[in-house]
Amino acid sequence: EAEVAQSPRYKITEKSQAVAFWCDPISGHATLYWYRQILGQGPELLVQFQDESVVDDSQLPKDRFSAERLKGVDSTLKIQPAELGDSAMYLCASSLIGQDTDTQYFGPGTRLTVL
Amino acid sequence: GDSVTQMEGPVTLSEEAFLTINCTYTATGYPSLFWYVQYPGEGLQLLLKATKADDKGSNKGFEATYRKETTSFHLEKGSVQVSDSAVYFCALRDQTGANNLFFGTGTRLTVIP
Repeated sequence: EAEVAQSPRYKITEKSQAVAFWCDPISGHATLYWYRQILGQGPELLVQFQDESVVDDSQLPKDRFSAERLKGVDSTLKIQPAELGDSAMYLCASSLIGQDTDTQYFGPGTRLTVL
Repeated sequence: GDSVTQMEGPVTLSEEAFLTINCTYTATGYPSLFWYVQYPGEGLQLLLKATKADDKGSNKGFEATYRKETTSFHLEKGSVQVSDSAVYFCALRDQTGANNLFFGTGTRLTVIP
């Protein structure tokens, strides 16, 4: 069964350092999402891609976060510099074409700890 | 704006007990509603969904009915198992076309033998 892949699964870093997370969506899925899940809360959307284009990044803190999906397949989310408040689970999801009837499939997530 | 309010946990039940996790929503129009489940160490998995009023979603013995009059989508299961122990998230997707999901805070369920 096809799955969304994410790496690394765990990342510990010190504040002010740069970190990057990688996501490989299910093959053929045009839409890719990055969510942040703070402990004890539900996931919140950071950025949505349709192929290589950003559809929604209204909740992405653009002063320190960036995301790209250069070839419309896999994607990288970067934080520079990391802050203590960035400690969270970062989830990637993908869906076929991003329409209302689509199901979003989630990866296992990357748990980030900023010291 | 759109939001989901979910029953706070944690919830602890004995095996074979009846489960209800409450979920209510605020949204304009007619959102689609979802329950996702997150097992320990794994990503979120879609458990069930309903896309219009009075629809009932069901999967693995879980059910939820889209009630527009009460803006609710409560999750139920008649007889829980130890393997149902997980965190359950209620979510909605609005109809603005962006396919964005809005999640509740999650309810942790622990089923004891």
